[in-house]
Amino acid sequence: NAGVTQTPKFRVLKTGQSMTLLCAQDMNHEYMYWYRQDPGMGLRLIHYSVGEGTTAKGEVPDGYNVSRLKKQNFLLGLESAAPSQTSVYFCASSPTGAGTDTQYFGPGTRLTVL
Amino acid sequence: AQSVTQLGSHVSVSEGALVLLRCNYSSSVPPYLFWYVQYPNQGLQLLLKYTTGATLVKGINGFEAEFKKSETSFHLTKPSAHMSDAAEYFCAVSDRGEYGNKLVFGAGTILRVKS
Repeated sequence: NAGVTQTPKFRVLKTGQSMTLLCAQDMNHEYMYWYRQDPGMGLRLIHYSVGEGTTAKGEVPDGYNVSRLKKQNFLLGLESAAPSQTSVYFCASSPTGAGTDTQYFGPGTRLTVL
Repeated sequence: AQSVTQLGSHVSVSEGALVLLRCNYSSSVPPYLFWYVQYPNQGLQLLLKYTTGATLVKGINGFEAEFKKSETSFHLTKPSAHMSDAAEYFCAVSDRGEYGNKLVFGAGTILRVKS
């Protein structure tokens, strides 16, 4: 099993450009999550999904959109990138969304917005 | 809402010395607590978690953590540090969201191991 994979690994955008980050998991997990990691701030939840077609906002959702058209994929979109969105983005998945669930993380995408 | 505070953004220990990384939580309900580790340029992986039952939890790579309700703490320890333990460590608490549960992370502690 590949676990959780993320595409791309690195990306540089100019302000105002758009892009989509792809997350895929092969563990048949119901829940998927997008986080951003910034120095000294830990991981902050952007959006999450409780199953195919259902998403919810996290702590820092502004400027991002998500879609979960297939159970194994969770896409994060930036419609008009801003320098404040320079960050490392992590995707994670968990089996059921129970409080005791372990979340499994991808390797991350490093995004720079100029 | 639940929250986590990690005391010390950087901790430096000598190889073979005790590792102690501090985590305090705030929760209105009995908490589920986690420690994750992030090695350089990698994603996070679970070290250990507390759900219910025994308050001393053992994890991978010789780490353990003790849940102390009276102190609202979940500190991570390892008796003898190895060079390979150098990484960033995150404490997290499970928080009920609009749909199911989500994790709230602390700011992280970078562990440096000196030879």
